[in-house]
Amino acid sequence: QPALTQPASVSGSPGHSITISCSRVGGTFNLVSWYQQRPSGAPRLIIFQDNLRPSGISHRFAASTFGNTASLTISGLQAEDEADYYCASPIGLSDLLFGGGTKVTVL
Amino acid sequence: QISLKESGPSLVRPTQSFTLTCTISGFSLNTFGVGVAWVRQPPGAALEWLGLIDWSGDGHLSRSLDDRLTVTRDTSRNLVVLTVTNVDFEDRGIYFCVHADIGYAPKVLHSLDFWGQGTLVSVSS
Repeated sequence: QPALTQPASVSGSPGHSITISCSRVGGTFNLVSWYQQRPSGAPRLIIFQDNLRPSGISHRFAASTFGNTASLTISGLQAEDEADYYCASPIGLSDLLFGGGTKVTVL
Repeated sequence: QISLKESGPSLVRPTQSFTLTCTISGFSLNTFGVGVAWVRQPPGAALEWLGLIDWSGDGHLSRSLDDRLTVTRDTSRNLVVLTVTNVDFEDRGIYFCVHADIGYAPKVLHSLDFWGQGTLVSVSS
């Protein structure tokens, strides 16, 4: 059964950079997307097709995929970046794997 | 601009069924490469994929839940409807409807790019 694994939490100081990993177990990694969910809010797309940013998303968010691991890097960490982050990867149209989510804390 | 809004019951009883409606605006359900997806989130837990209906009206449901889920649409009223049958406690949570960007050669989900605010469904007898 394929699954995506993320660290439960990552923290960093304002202005610093953090990286969130997303590892795939089983199957091929493709078309990774990343979602930000602030407390009590709906998720928001921040990365699609592995490393593309939608319009309006800060350049401070960058992503890459290598082998079975995808990574999201947030540079110049700001208080507003404090949120849960989810990676996702599709299996055709019938299934979209979500990672378990990573809570980012700005110290 | 693209907008989606979920509506439906806030409390359902075990073994019963419930229906959620997603009212969309700012796009057409028939547009090539577009779908409307459903994602849910139990309290304090991660996002869970339920399924989507694509621009041609085909439903694509999570393999782990497809025997209890149905997704339909009414293009004239700009509505997408999710039905969940034989409800149990694990069906509780926030249900989101989402605008989906779909690649067509092959058909694969590219991203969930616009999210509704979500609607909370509780399960209790």
